[in-house]
Amino acid sequence: QVQLQESGPGLVKPSQTLSLTCTVSGGSVSSGAYYWSWIRQRPGKGLEWIGYIHYSGSTYYNPSLKSRVIISRDTSDNKFSLMLTSVTDADTAVYYCARLVDGLAAVGLWGQGTLVTVSS
Amino acid sequence: QSALTQPPSASGSPGQSVTISCTGTSSDLGRYNFASWYQQHPGKAPKLMIFEVNKRPSGVPDRFSGSKSGNTASLTVSGLQAEDDADYYCSSYAGGNTLVFGGGTKLTVL
Repeated sequence: QVQLQESGPGLVKPSQTLSLTCTVSGGSVSSGAYYWSWIRQRPGKGLEWIGYIHYSGSTYYNPSLKSRVIISRDTSDNKFSLMLTSVTDADTAVYYCARLVDGLAAVGLWGQGTLVTVSS
Repeated sequence: QSALTQPPSASGSPGQSVTISCTGTSSDLGRYNFASWYQQHPGKAPKLMIFEVNKRPSGVPDRFSGSKSGNTASLTVSGLQAEDDADYYCSSYAGGNTLVFGGGTKLTVL
């Protein structure tokens, strides 16, 4: 059974870079037809798709965040990561890593989520 | 890319049916049959309830059903139960390998 677990700092200062990692257990980030994704949820707000990395290594981002986001993967450690630069308090959110099945555009597997607060 | 539009709230009594709408544009819901619905209880990660407009993942009760007409997708919950009290989010493929979510609907079981 595949499981996802987010990790990273819970507090980031304004203008700095938010970095999170998702560890995949029970499966591989480089096999199978999946997209490995980051999704966030601001406090009391809805879900926002940040982007994903295809099992082939191609990346796709939300146009509204594209200039500040990099999603990468480490196949040897079976992890994928999120970097969000120049953060402001508007980036305070619960960040979820997740998996989509290629061709379905549906998030079938979620991590538990991790709260990242942007504050000085 | 704008968020899909959902009503902020919906409600129904146990045993009743309730329908939640999700409105997009001709660039997302109107163009693709990739509407999905998620259920989220407080403090928990979302759970996929419907994909490809009207398909249920294994384990999701058949009380949950989906449909689509034009730019609007809908989720119907029949035979409401107390555990259905949650937030519901829709999403759609929006072309160019992008995804868009709705703002969410809080479903209250009275």
